[in-house]
Amino acid sequence: AQSVAQPEDQVNVAEGNPLTVKCTYSVSGNPYLFWYVQYPNRGLQFLLKYITGDNLVKGSYGFEAEFNKSQTSFHLKKPSALVSDSALYFCAVRDIDNYGQNFVFGPGTRLSVLP
Amino acid sequence: DTEVTQTPKHLVMGMTNKKSLKCEQHMGHRAMYWYKQKAKKPPELMFVYSYEKLSINESVPSRFSPECPNSSLLNLHLHALQPEDSALYLCASSQGFSTGNLATNEKLFFGSGTQLSVL
Repeated sequence: AQSVAQPEDQVNVAEGNPLTVKCTYSVSGNPYLFWYVQYPNRGLQFLLKYITGDNLVKGSYGFEAEFNKSQTSFHLKKPSALVSDSALYFCAVRDIDNYGQNFVFGPGTRLSVLP
Repeated sequence: DTEVTQTPKHLVMGMTNKKSLKCEQHMGHRAMYWYKQKAKKPPELMFVYSYEKLSINESVPSRFSPECPNSSLLNLHLHALQPEDSALYLCASSQGFSTGNLATNEKLFFGSGTQLSVL
């Protein structure tokens, strides 16, 4: 079965500093990995995805993620954090069972960017 | 139009009430999803419709009844809910996938959700 882990419940970073939100995965076969962000009382918004190709994936709002096969990681990064980046971040993997009709989400990491 | 629209945004209902949640998209997507999300937790899949047919039911209690009247609409009918069913209910859609093929590059488009409180 596919699964993702986000080892940190909460990440605090000062505005202007680089940020990293960690994700590790466990999959059978090729991983199809995604990052989503959720602002309070809203649905999830897609940030970026890794399917194949370059290990560094660029996404929305200046975010990027680095796929590392040997470490089974897919960490989300941003060079300079903004207060408006404060939100709940979910790593997700496409579930290849049921023809990939499900996404398995990690537990989420709350990012707080302090002014 | 890249939106998934959910109504109502908020709903308070008693345990004997019958209500419905509605979801609509006009992106031509052929897969639609219901997720349940408790506070500070990840979304949990409830149902998936593919080409208007129910393809996944994640052992959801029968007090939740999904309906997909056409490719743009998805409903969730609620009856005799329990207080523990209080949660944010999220609808999502994606392009869809042919039987037997894995559309691996698909992403989900989420609505803003219905915040449901069961008293």
